[in-house]
Amino acid sequence: DAKTTQPTSMDCAEGRAANLPCNHSTISGNEYVYWYRQIHSQGPQYIIHGLKNNETNEMASLIITEDRKSSTLILPHATLRDTAVYYCISTKGAGSYQLTFGKGTKLSVIP
Amino acid sequence: DVKVTQSSRYLVKRTGEKVFLECVQDMDHENMFWYRQDPGLGLRLIYFSYDVKMKEKGDIPEGYSVSREKKERFSLILESASTNQTSMYLCASSLELQGVDYGYTFGSGTRLTVV
Repeated sequence: DAKTTQPTSMDCAEGRAANLPCNHSTISGNEYVYWYRQIHSQGPQYIIHGLKNNETNEMASLIITEDRKSSTLILPHATLRDTAVYYCISTKGAGSYQLTFGKGTKLSVIP
Repeated sequence: DVKVTQSSRYLVKRTGEKVFLECVQDMDHENMFWYRQDPGLGLRLIYFSYDVKMKEKGDIPEGYSVSREKKERFSLILESASTNQTSMYLCASSLELQGVDYGYTFGSGTRLTVV
């Protein structure tokens, strides 16, 4: 699985969009990009995943660059409950393959 | 709502004890996983299972074993607990159905302290 690089921490004002970047420059053609988050003292929670097209669900949007070397997770209107560690993972398919979690980005949503 | 339930939220055990951590999922998922999480080291995979009675070693299996006698239950066993196994243990399950991946569902974790 390709290695991913994320900033250690970010702040975002409540109500504004939170844009979390992830670099995966060595990603191969059949590797997906997954995002999970972990709120303090809870297990990680699946957010979204994609291969090459942009994806959107009720939680977030995922924008993948055309060369697939980086992506951005967008939380359109951040709330205090979005304060968490966000993990970007590249893998051939989380359903059948074990995930390797990095250190993630600690997002703090500020009132 | 789908659920992964870990039997204990907090557990304190003595060095040398045999410890069982239980995980049950109600989603009929094929795949189940055990991770441990430590400050500065992140989540590390201990064991996983793709089917009943099946198990595969993850990145750090030493000192652990697992059991999957029924599809819904995946147990992590510490054969002889040691203080360096003090950690947060997280169980997860996942399903890939007809090419659609639904991601992992994690339990809330068991914080194990070995004294």
